Amino acid sequence: TQLLEQSPQFLSIQEGENLTVYCNSSSVFSSLQWYRQEPGEGPVLLVTVVTGGEVKKLKRLTFQFGDARKDSSLHITAAQPGDTGLYLCATSPRGSYIPTFGRGTSLIVHP
Amino acid sequence: DSGVTQTPKHLITATGQRVTLRCSPRSGDLSVYWYQQSLDQGLQFLIQYYNGEERAKGNILERFSAQQFPDLHSELNLSSLELGDSALYFCASSVGAGGGIETQYFGPGTRLLVL
Repeated sequence: TQLLEQSPQFLSIQEGENLTVYCNSSSVFSSLQWYRQEPGEGPVLLVTVVTGGEVKKLKRLTFQFGDARKDSSLHITAAQPGDTGLYLCATSPRGSYIPTFGRGTSLIVHP
Repeated sequence: DSGVTQTPKHLITATGQRVTLRCSPRSGDLSVYWYQQSLDQGLQFLIQYYNGEERAKGNILERFSAQQFPDLHSELNLSSLELGDSALYFCASSVGAGGGIETQYFGPGTRLLVL
């Protein structure tokens, strides 16, 4: 059983469409991170959320941490081909320093 | 460019062999993390070193070992290699000792193929 469940697993859309990907768990987290990994590269941190209900915006990307701090979502407005990549959520279980990643959502944005 | 360097970029070897992967963290970062990424398992944490000492251990096989040297670079040794060890191996670094909100900077990875 994965600590972090991400959905959907795959997403293929056209340029200009909006999309939302999700990261869910049955556990409560003190913080959660989103990374993007482009093909052939290592993951790059996009954002860290720490407060329940928190919303952070990064240009066309909007990140939300659930009120109960068990889930998070990433919404992309007007997706562009440059948004193509694997979106990973990550956290460390309480009392642990072990980083845990979800399996990711693989996004392809077609021109 | 994250500032984290990994060598080699690609490695092809045979079952039963031993290989060493090398990582240099960003300047000033004290922690080094090693991960294995495969299609069926996703990104799996192996081990973390902080300032030369082992800090956290994940699902690292006994055939695998790592160390961090006084200059803070790290090496991951994989021995008695099996076909299933074929994967991408990433190194990441961070400033502090780790924890949920610390930013990790990932290297470009080493792609290992065991034949």
